[in-house]
Amino acid sequence: NAGVMQNPRHLVRRRGQEARLRCSPMKGHSHVYWYRQLPEEGLKFMVYLQKENIIDESGMPKERFSAEFPKEGPSILRIQQVVRGDSAAYFCASSQDRRTEAFFGQGTRLTVV
Amino acid sequence: AQTVTQSQPEMSVQEAETVTLSCTYDTSENNYYLFWYKQPPSRQMILVIRQEAYKQQNATENRFSVNFQKAAKSFSLKISDSQLGDTAMYFCAFIEAGGTSYGKLTFGQGTILTVHP
Repeated sequence: NAGVMQNPRHLVRRRGQEARLRCSPMKGHSHVYWYRQLPEEGLKFMVYLQKENIIDESGMPKERFSAEFPKEGPSILRIQQVVRGDSAAYFCASSQDRRTEAFFGQGTRLTVV
Repeated sequence: AQTVTQSQPEMSVQEAETVTLSCTYDTSENNYYLFWYKQPPSRQMILVIRQEAYKQQNATENRFSVNFQKAAKSFSLKISDSQLGDTAMYFCAFIEAGGTSYGKLTFGQGTILTVHP
């Protein structure tokens, strides 16, 4: 059973470009969570999605950031018009339901130059 | 809102010795879960140990054990017989039992642990 798969592992974008981060949950998992880890800090919750629904986006910046988890395919975290402050590691986790443990992927390190 | 505080940015220990990492948290909830995660240089987040707040007995997983003091809101991690592979960043994390989801964790700032040969 493959774990949570995130790609790419590393992503470099110039300021103003768009970044798309992908997360394929573990088999059988329909709940996905996105976290951001700024340098020297802990992970901060961004958004919680279930298939085709955003359940909790209380940690998402109000502008430029969006997330989706379509019926088919991976979950996508999209950052429009990236700025240097978006440089961070972005982690995805998945769980079978809301009352079971979430498992983390290896993260995508985004660097904005 | 819940907060999790790890007051030790860095710790070091000699191989085979014991080290304790500290964590305190603040919540008004009575029922919750606490976790310790390990993040090695590969960046993979690995669950080390979990504690349910309603259980008085401290959780143990092989060389890892916790000292859970509910009244003091303290949750420290003890690593016995430290190994070089224990070198990593360690995060303390919290979830309300009645919250949105068990996947919505609140993390501390992390403690970098270095095990020296």
